[in-house]
Amino acid sequence: DTGVSQNPRHKITKRGQNVTFRCDPISEHNRLYWYRQTLGQGPEFLTYFQNEAQLEKSRLLSDRFSAERPKGSFSTLEIQRTEQGDSAMYLCASSSSPFGAYFGPGTRLLVL
Amino acid sequence: GQNIDQPTEMTATEGAIVQINCTYQTSGFNGLFWYQQHAGEAPTFLSYNVLDGLEEKGRFSSFLSRSKGYSYLLLKELQMKDSASYLCAVRDSGDYKLSFGAGTTVTVRA
Repeated sequence: DTGVSQNPRHKITKRGQNVTFRCDPISEHNRLYWYRQTLGQGPEFLTYFQNEAQLEKSRLLSDRFSAERPKGSFSTLEIQRTEQGDSAMYLCASSSSPFGAYFGPGTRLLVL
Repeated sequence: GQNIDQPTEMTATEGAIVQINCTYQTSGFNGLFWYQQHAGEAPTFLSYNVLDGLEEKGRFSSFLSRSKGYSYLLLKELQMKDSASYLCAVRDSGDYKLSFGAGTTVTVRA
């Protein structure tokens, strides 16, 4: 297993467009997290799945954001009607225990 | 909520020791984590403390005092490749999400 993977690695879009990111966790991990990170800041929690159930969404996650994890495997994060303030690194992480989560390489989004 | 503070930047010489402090104020506590993040890359897990005391792992050690809301990461025998951002993160009373500090950028000079 090569760890958590994310696609695409980079995305440039125009304001108002929709974008979708994919995360493939480590195969035996039942917990999956999405974080957002801007330059000079630590990652901010967005949402958490245990298997296919989305158990928590941050207040940072406006109605334009939606995440899914069908069948408890890969997850997608969709942003509708993107805004320039959405420009950030979107990080996915997974874990199988209360110990440290393992992060993917991230998707860097730039909204023009 | 969580309030996590760590210094913004630190500079040290190759071969030296650097200590990165982290203080936190939380409504609940279920573990403190340190991650390393090189520029443009994902955070990688370094250490985990849930009980008071020192955890040693090679050149890296992490200390926790729950009563003081304080942790530090100690990096020994610094190497140029240790130049990175070091993130302190606290898990709340649940057993899942982490709240991160802004990170400490460590620069190692020859």
